[in-house]
Amino acid sequence: SAVISQKPSRDICQRGTSLTIQCQVDSQVTMMFWYRQQPGQSLTLIATANQGSEATYESGFVIDKFPISRPNLTFSTLTVSNMSPEDSSIYLCSVEGDLAEAFFGQGTRLTVV
Amino acid sequence: GNSVTQMEGPVTLSEEAFLTINCTYTATGYPSLFWYVQYPGEGLQLLLKATKADDKGSNKGFEATYRKETTSFHLEKGSVQVSDSAVYFCALETSGSRLTFGEGTQLTVNP
Repeated sequence: SAVISQKPSRDICQRGTSLTIQCQVDSQVTMMFWYRQQPGQSLTLIATANQGSEATYESGFVIDKFPISRPNLTFSTLTVSNMSPEDSSIYLCSVEGDLAEAFFGQGTRLTVV
Repeated sequence: GNSVTQMEGPVTLSEEAFLTINCTYTATGYPSLFWYVQYPGEGLQLLLKATKADDKGSNKGFEATYRKETTSFHLEKGSVQVSDSAVYFCALETSGSRLTFGEGTQLTVNP
């Protein structure tokens, strides 16, 4: 299994500002994933982050809005840029374990006012 | 494209009742299928999985069987407990280990 720590656990931000979310894993992993869970909805994959290469974004998500860093095999950051109230969501970091199951962080609950 | 459809919720049951949460999927090839659970105030946890047709995943009294002919992966439990109250997500794994989730089903079990 993998233990994933996300920071911050929650934040309230002003519109127009940016927030960087950190994800730390207790073991080295090739791929890390960032998901968004909007209020009352399911999880949607934002992007896949591989160490040493640019992140791969899903349809509807762009690098300018959600820049991602992946400096090493245990750490990644997701930035939510130029925030608006529509960005209020839970953002989750995920990694794949040895048996092809996904492990998730506790999530970052973001409220944009 | 790939998609997952879960039965509409929320679902409210009495303790010891039988639970079924329906899940059907659309996918190319033969994806792995998962059920994740999100307890109040906690992150997502893997509940069970199945990686090929006719596989049955089971955990904590929950079961789900991978049915290729009906493209389904329904979650069942014979006798639910109050502690099973949570949101349940059906998911499939697409290429590159990416997950596609269903809408989630809120389960409330009353004593």
